[in-house]
Amino acid sequence: EPEVTQTPSHQVTQMGQEVILRCVPISNHLYFYWYRQILGQKVEFLVSFYNNEISEKSEIFDDQFSVERPDGSNFTLKIRSTKLEDSAMYFCASSDPLVDMNTEAFFGQGTRLTVV
Amino acid sequence: AQTVTQSQPEMSVQEAETVTLSCTYDTSESDYYLFWYKQPPSRQMILVIRQEAYKQQNATENRFSVNFQKAAKSFSLKISDSQLGDAAMYFCAYKGNTGNQFYFGTGTSLTVIP
Repeated sequence: EPEVTQTPSHQVTQMGQEVILRCVPISNHLYFYWYRQILGQKVEFLVSFYNNEISEKSEIFDDQFSVERPDGSNFTLKIRSTKLEDSAMYFCASSDPLVDMNTEAFFGQGTRLTVV
Repeated sequence: AQTVTQSQPEMSVQEAETVTLSCTYDTSESDYYLFWYKQPPSRQMILVIRQEAYKQQNATENRFSVNFQKAAKSFSLKISDSQLGDAAMYFCAYKGNTGNQFYFGTGTSLTVIP
């Protein structure tokens, strides 16, 4: 069964460093998402991406964040200058609006980012 | 803004017994979708069950069923005949009829006791 894959599973970085979290969405999906979950808190929406541009973003998704689809398969989240409070589990997801605009999203297993 | 609340951070159930996980939400929309996702340890979230708000009939998927009370804005998940493989974190999620965001609760960690 097709699935969303994320790499790495765990990333440790020093405060102020840039990190890139990578995701390979399901191949025929057109909507891509990033969510994050700080330990013990809700899963929070960061951004959605469709047709090579951001379609929605939350207040969390400020200038230190960016997303990119550099090729036909990868979808990346870049955090430019990491802060301690960026430590969280980051989930990538994709969905297929051609099936149903309100179909479920398919999630990856997450990347645990630890900023030290 | 839409909010989703899961008031049970942890639940446990004996194998073969039934357990109900609670979820409430707040919205001003009349048309929306509700989901229960399961996240086993170190694995991705997978969809367990989905409910369209315009449908009065509660969704059912094998051992999983929901009790959807639209007026009360409640969406609980019932797991019957619990199995060891049901042990996971369960997330309740809301998606409106417009926009792309899923709104999640904080999750309920379910332990199944052999």
